[in-house]
Amino acid sequence: AQSVTQLGSHVSVSEGALVLLRCNYSSSVPPYLFWYVQYPNQGLQLLLKYTTGATLVKGINGFEAEFKKSETSFHLTKPSAHMSDAAEYFCAVSGGGGTSYGKLTFGQGTILTVHP
Amino acid sequence: NAGVTQTPKFQVLKTGQSMTLQCAQDMNHNSMYWYRQDPGMGLRLIYYSASEGTTDKGEVPNGYNVSRLNKREFSLRLESAAPSQTSVYFCASSDNRLGYTFGSGTRLTVV
Repeated sequence: AQSVTQLGSHVSVSEGALVLLRCNYSSSVPPYLFWYVQYPNQGLQLLLKYTTGATLVKGINGFEAEFKKSETSFHLTKPSAHMSDAAEYFCAVSGGGGTSYGKLTFGQGTILTVHP
Repeated sequence: NAGVTQTPKFQVLKTGQSMTLQCAQDMNHNSMYWYRQDPGMGLRLIYYSASEGTTDKGEVPNGYNVSRLNKREFSLRLESAAPSQTSVYFCASSDNRLGYTFGSGTRLTVV
C-alpha cells in the first residue's frame, strides 16, 4: 500500500522568493518518487523523479527535491520563484524495484501562486 | 511524435448515456493506466493493465469498465454515465526505464 500527503493545498510566494512544496509519502516497498506540474487546462509534465542513487534530484526549470527516507519526505524547492512557475504541482509515489514501475499514487495537489 | 494519444479531448454526455474513451501508446510500454482528476483530490487510479491481457481495479473503479485491446490500446467505458463522473480523464503508460507518459486528457461533462 502507498499514499502521498501534500501539506498545503495552496502556497503563495512573491517573485524571487524561495518555493517550498511539501510532500510526505508512505510505501511498503522502496519508493520511486515523482513531482509533476500542471498548467491550466494542460496535461501533466514531469519535473523530476527519484528512483535510486543520489537523494538530491535536480529537475527542469530550476526545481530540485531531496529524498529523505528517515522523514519519508520528498519536498520540492526552487531558490527563486518566477511568475511562470504559477501552476498546480503533484507529488506521486510508486512501488520501486523489480521490472515495473507499478501503480502511481498521487497527492491531492498544491496550487502555487506567484505574486509580483 | 511518440507518446500517448487520447480521444476525444472533450465530450458532453447526458445522464444514462454510454461512451468509450480511447487511449493508444506507441512506445511499446507494457503497463497502461486510467486516472480521473477532480479538484482538490489529485489524480485517482480507475483501472490499470500491467501487461497485455490483464486488467485490475484501481482506487475508484465503480461505474467503469476497461479493455486492453492489444499492447497499444487501453479503452475506458462508461456504461451509464452519471453527473458524478464529470471529470478530466488521463491515460498513461509506463515501462521499467523511463517512467510514465501521460496523454493530454479528456474533459468529460455529464449533464
